[in-house]
Amino acid sequence: NAGVTQTPKFRVLKTGQSMTLLCAQDMNHEYMYWYRQDPGMGLRLIHYSVGEGTTAKGEVPDGYNVSRLKKQNFLLGLESAAPSQTSVYFCASRFPWEGETQYFGPGTRLLVL
Amino acid sequence: GENVEQHPSTLSVQEGDSAVIKCTYSDSASNYFPWYKQELGKRPQLIIDIRSNVGEKKDQRIAVTLNKTAKHFSLHITETQPEDSAVYFCAASIAGAGSYQLTFGKGTKLSVIP
Repeated sequence: NAGVTQTPKFRVLKTGQSMTLLCAQDMNHEYMYWYRQDPGMGLRLIHYSVGEGTTAKGEVPDGYNVSRLKKQNFLLGLESAAPSQTSVYFCASRFPWEGETQYFGPGTRLLVL
Repeated sequence: GENVEQHPSTLSVQEGDSAVIKCTYSDSASNYFPWYKQELGKRPQLIIDIRSNVGEKKDQRIAVTLNKTAKHFSLHITETQPEDSAVYFCAASIAGAGSYQLTFGKGTKLSVIP
């Protein structure tokens, strides 16, 4: 099993450009999450999904959109990138039952110029 | 919403010494507290967790304690080794709330000096 994978690993964008980050998991997890990690700020939740076709806002959702069309994929979109969105983005997934572990992907490093 | 404070932000210890990282949380409904280790350039990985019906949990050199009354929990690493050098994150969650969202502390950079 590949676990949780993320595409791309690294990307440079110009201000105003758009892009989509892909998260894929092969563990049949119901719940999926997108976080951003900035120096000294820990991990902050952007959006999450508790199942195919559902999404919800997290702590820092502004400037991002998400979609969960297939259970195994969770997409994070930036419609008009801003330098403040320069960050490392982590996807995570888990089973829906109490006591389950949240597994993280390897991360996507995004630089917005 | 939940707020998790983590201290210290950096910690240096000599190899073989113990390291303690402390976290406090604000929401008394939180009942699940995991700790993640993140090595440089890598993904966070769960190292230990504790639930509110348990006061302490150990796994070899790692232990976590929880004080629900005071709303704080701590990570203890004994006999530290250079490979323990990493950033450690605590988190809190309300299990059973439907989404199991984790609220993370800002992290502690642990350096173990050989």
